[in-house]
Amino acid sequence: GNSVTQMEGPVTLSEEAFLTINCTYTATGYPSLFWYVQYPGEGLQLLLKATKADDKGSNKGFEATYRKETTSFHLEKGSVQVSDSAVYFCALKLFGEETSGSRLTFGEGTQLTVNP
Amino acid sequence: EPEVTQTPSHQVTQMGQEVILRCVPISNHLYFYWYRQILGQKVEFLVSFYNNEISEKSEIFDDQFSVERPDGSNFTLKIRSTKLEDSAMYFCASYYRWAGNGYTFGSGTRLTVV
Repeated sequence: GNSVTQMEGPVTLSEEAFLTINCTYTATGYPSLFWYVQYPGEGLQLLLKATKADDKGSNKGFEATYRKETTSFHLEKGSVQVSDSAVYFCALKLFGEETSGSRLTFGEGTQLTVNP
Repeated sequence: EPEVTQTPSHQVTQMGQEVILRCVPISNHLYFYWYRQILGQKVEFLVSFYNNEISEKSEIFDDQFSVERPDGSNFTLKIRSTKLEDSAMYFCASYYRWAGNGYTFGSGTRLTVV
């Protein structure tokens, strides 16, 4: 089946530190990959996405590259801010299921806390 | 920016009672979903809904659960007889085919069964 594995959290960093949150996946087809962010008390917001191998998704200083050879989609940011404190979820959706209920499969989520 | 709206934000119910969680998806979206997140665990898929019928459901979505789009705007999740283990955050999401931007999620309903 399809699954997503994220690095264990929580992660605590100082402001301006470099962030990496690891995400690996297994999928039976050709997935699209996503990072969602959940700020305290809010819903899930799409942070970035990539739909095919070697694509790089980027948004708000965050980046992730779709690596088919290592089945990974690690999230990175060069300099985190206090406002980046949130839970980050890696997720996949199988490509080509637009006409059906194309479910998202989520990882466990990683709590990031950035201290001033 | 269009939003998915969920009500209530928090509901407390007694075990065995029926609850209805409500969602207003984005108006031109065609696919609707319910997910849940038990505290500290993964976000799990429950059900997807398209063209006024269930298109896919997970093993979690048993006979206690049902979904409905009664009036073309609301999308509801009903739990017929709640159990303690139904306590979770329930997220509604909607999706427009070919939008390319993924799903839009609501801010969730926290259901507490006591």
